[in-house]
Amino acid sequence: AQSVTQLDSHVSVSEGTPVLLRCNYSSSYSPSLFWYVQHPNKGLQLLLKYTSAATLVKGINGFEAEFKKSETSFHLTKPSAHMSDAAEYFCVVSPNAGNMLTFGGGTRLMVKP
Amino acid sequence: ETGVTQSPTHLIKTRGQQVTLRCSSQSGHNTVSWYQQALGQGPQFIFQYYREEENGRGNFPPRFSGLQFPNYSSELNVNALELDDSALYLCASSTGTSGPREQYFGPGTRLTVT
Repeated sequence: AQSVTQLDSHVSVSEGTPVLLRCNYSSSYSPSLFWYVQHPNKGLQLLLKYTSAATLVKGINGFEAEFKKSETSFHLTKPSAHMSDAAEYFCVVSPNAGNMLTFGGGTRLMVKP
Repeated sequence: ETGVTQSPTHLIKTRGQQVTLRCSSQSGHNTVSWYQQALGQGPQFIFQYYREEENGRGNFPPRFSGLQFPNYSSELNVNALELDDSALYLCASSTGTSGPREQYFGPGTRLTVT
C-alpha cells in the first residue's frame, strides 16, 4: 500500500522569496515520486520525478526536490517565486512495477506581488 | 505531436443517467489511465487500459467501466449517476505499463450531476 501526505493545503509567499512545499510518503517498497502542477483549466503537468537515481532532482521552471528516505519526505523547493508559479501542486507516488499514480491532497501556492 | 485531448469539456447530467467521456491519447502512447478529481482534492485512480485490456483498477464500483480502442483512444462510462460523481475526470496516456512512466494528462471533463 502507498499513500502521500501534503502537509500544507495552502502556502502563500511573496514574489522573489523561496518556495517550500512539503510532502511525506508511505510505501511498502522503493517508490517512484513525482511532483505535478495544475494551473486553472489546464491539464496536470509534470515538474520532476525521482526514480531511485540521484536524490536531488531538478525539474522545470527552477523547481527541485530532494528524496530523503530516512524522513520519507520529498519536499519541493524553488529559490525565488514568480507570479506564474501560482497554481495547485500535487505530490505523487507510484510503485515501480506499474504506473498507477497515488496523489496527495494538493497544495495551493499563492504568490503575492 | 498532438497531446492528450478529452471531450466534452463540460457536461451536466441528472442523477440516475448514464454518461460517456472520451479521451484521445498522445501519439505513440498505448496506455490510458483515468482519474477522478473531486473539488478540492487530488485525483484518484479509476482504472488503466493497456492494449485494449483493463490493466488495473482503483477503488471504484463496477458502474464505472471503460473501453480502449485499437487506435488507443479510450472511453469512460458511468452508469446510474450519483451526486457524488460530480468531479473533474482526467485521462492520462503513457507508453507501456512496467516501471514508472511519465503520464501525460488531458485538460479533463467537468461532470456535474444534479
